[in-house]
Amino acid sequence: DAGVIQSPRHEVTEMGQEVTLRCKPISGHDYLFWYRQTMMRGLELLIYFNNNVPIDDSGMPEDRFSAKMPNASFSTLKIQPSEPRDSAVYFCASSLGSAYTEAFFGQGTRLTVV
Amino acid sequence: AQSVTQLDSHVSVSEGTPVLLRCNYSSSYSPSLFWYVQHPNKGLQLLLKYTSAATLVKGINGFEAEFKKSETSFHLTKPSAHMSDAAEYFCVVSDLQGGADGLTFGKGTHLIIQP
Repeated sequence: DAGVIQSPRHEVTEMGQEVTLRCKPISGHDYLFWYRQTMMRGLELLIYFNNNVPIDDSGMPEDRFSAKMPNASFSTLKIQPSEPRDSAVYFCASSLGSAYTEAFFGQGTRLTVV
Repeated sequence: AQSVTQLDSHVSVSEGTPVLLRCNYSSSYSPSLFWYVQHPNKGLQLLLKYTSAATLVKGINGFEAEFKKSETSFHLTKPSAHMSDAAEYFCVVSDLQGGADGLTFGKGTHLIIQP
């Protein structure tokens, strides 16, 4: 397996624009996580899914953020409208069987909002 | 609730000398503990994990960690540092029975290797 695949690797956008980040988890994994990493706050869990169903979205910072998982092999994290303070590295991760076991991370998407 | 504290934000060692990255955790139940490594501009990679089996856990790249319940610690060590070990290291706790959902990450320790 190629691991968790995220796209794009880098995204630069203007404030107010919509941004969509994409993730393909490891085949067969039933948990998918979205994290945000910043210097100030470290790694924060935004939302996670089990079998394509959102389980906990309490980490999503605002209504501008939304995430979907239409099928077992694809998830999106959308920010609309984007703001400069959303600039961060966004990681997708997946795991098998539990939200409490090791997760496998993608390479991340570095988002810059100007 | 679960939490994890990495005691040093930066650690600097010379190549060939031992590495010690300190981690303390808090958990109401029996936790699982992990160490992840993040190289610059890369994702996080699992180094090793403890899940209530042997208290001394061996991981990749010569790293190991010892679970000490009495000290609530899970320090990461390596006998001899290599330049390629320079990276950010995260200690992670997972509490299956009552903590926050998913994994709780420490703030990270930046390991610097001096030539």
